[in-house]
Amino acid sequence: TQLLEQSPQFLSIQEGENLTVYCNSSSVFSSLQWYRQEPGEGPVLLVTVVTGGEVKKLKRLTFQFGDARKDSSLHITAAQPGDTGLYLCAGAEGGSQGNLIFGKGTKLSVKP
Amino acid sequence: DAGVIQSPRHEVTEMGQEVTLRCKPISGHDYLFWYRQTMMRGLELLIYFNNNVPIDDSGMPEDRFSAKMPNASFSTLKIQPSEPRDSAVYFCASNQRGANYGYTFGSGTRLTVV
Repeated sequence: TQLLEQSPQFLSIQEGENLTVYCNSSSVFSSLQWYRQEPGEGPVLLVTVVTGGEVKKLKRLTFQFGDARKDSSLHITAAQPGDTGLYLCAGAEGGSQGNLIFGKGTKLSVKP
Repeated sequence: DAGVIQSPRHEVTEMGQEVTLRCKPISGHDYLFWYRQTMMRGLELLIYFNNNVPIDDSGMPEDRFSAKMPNASFSTLKIQPSEPRDSAVYFCASNQRGANYGYTFGSGTRLTVV
């Protein structure tokens, strides 16, 4: 079974700071997705990366897929209280249509 | 589009009782997934369907769990009999083209078995 390790597990920062969260595995994924989950709601897709080395930007969020497609990072610039939430990475196993493996997430708190 | 709709939002039941969770996927989505989320284990895939057919149920914990998808717009996850260790948030998700493409999740059902 492929595992995704996310770090840090918890992160508490002040508004305006920058941060990076990581998602690592020893296995190769055909694609990797990032989700954000708020309390009482389901995860919401932020981005999908499929090519090794790929970088995608979504406003203040920058996502990178590792060259070997085993790891990914999410960088947030000038964090805002609205960025607070649980950030989950999820990897799709190659050859499988249905098994998206989720990491346990990074719980981010941005204080005003 | 109303998104993926799950019911009920909250369920409290006594150990030994039958529990049925319901899901309506987004119209036109061919894949439907049931996940369970706990603090200890995170999000775990229980079962997924493609075109109403169960494809992989290897994540279903044991025989007490069963899932059906009688048509493209409805699925159920049943636990009989329920146990306290089944307490978790159960999510349904759907998409059009499988694991490499983004999932749309419902708001979940928080199940508490006492």
